[in-house]
Amino acid sequence: GAGVSQTPSNKVTEKGKYVELRCDPISGHTALYWYRQSLGQGPEFLIYFQGTGAADDSGLPNDRFFAVRPEGSVSTLKIQRTERGDSAVYLCASSRLDPLAGGRETQYFGPGTRLLVL
Amino acid sequence: GENVEQHPSTLSVQEGDSAVIKCTYSDSASNYFPWYKQELGKRPQLIIDIRSNVGEKKDQRIAVTLNKTAKHFSLHITETQPEDSAVYFCAAISYSGAGSYQLTFGKGTKLSVIP
Repeated sequence: GAGVSQTPSNKVTEKGKYVELRCDPISGHTALYWYRQSLGQGPEFLIYFQGTGAADDSGLPNDRFFAVRPEGSVSTLKIQRTERGDSAVYLCASSRLDPLAGGRETQYFGPGTRLLVL
Repeated sequence: GENVEQHPSTLSVQEGDSAVIKCTYSDSASNYFPWYKQELGKRPQLIIDIRSNVGEKKDQRIAVTLNKTAKHFSLHITETQPEDSAVYFCAAISYSGAGSYQLTFGKGTKLSVIP
C-alpha cells in the first residue's frame, strides 16, 4: 500500500520567506509526527498530532514554526521568516493509534523535504 | 526529558563479520526501543524493535538486546553484507506528559561493510 508521502522533496528559499511543507500520512493512521533532521544527526521531534489536534508541540523551536492538520489526515508544517539555521530535512511520520499500546506503535516515515534557506 | 546516546558514530567491518551498535537511555520509564536504517537521501525505515517486557529479539541476521537495569540496548548484525551499509539510528519512547509519547533518537552510526 501507499506509504507516507511528502511534498516538495526539495525546497530552496531565501532568508525571511515563508514556506509550507506537506505530509500525506498512511491512510487510517490517526497519529502524525513532524521531525527535523540536521546533517549527521538523528531526527528531532517537533510536533505530534492525534487526529486534528496538536497533542504535543513541545518540540517546535520557536513561534515561527506552526503546523496544522485540519481534517485529521494531511498535515502542513509552516515556517515563517525563514532563517539559514532552519535548513534541514523535515521528516513526517505516521502511526496507528492504539490506546493499549502506550505509545509503542511503529512510526512509518516519509521521504522528507530537504529545505535549504539561502 | 529522554536522552539517548549512541556509539560508535562510525563502524567499518569486513563483509561476513558481525557489527554491534550500542545505545543508552536516561528515562527509566521508557519501554519501547526501535531501530531505524537510513540509506543516503532516503527515509528512515524500521528494521527491528523491542519492548521492555523482553530482553532479546531476533529477526534473521538482526538481533536486539535490552538491559533495563543498565538502561542500554544494542543492535547486532551478523554475516554483514554490502547492502547493510547505511546509517543506523536507535530510539527510545518516553512519555512527555499530556497524553503524548515522544521518540528520542540517537545521533546515528554510519556502518560501512567492506566487500
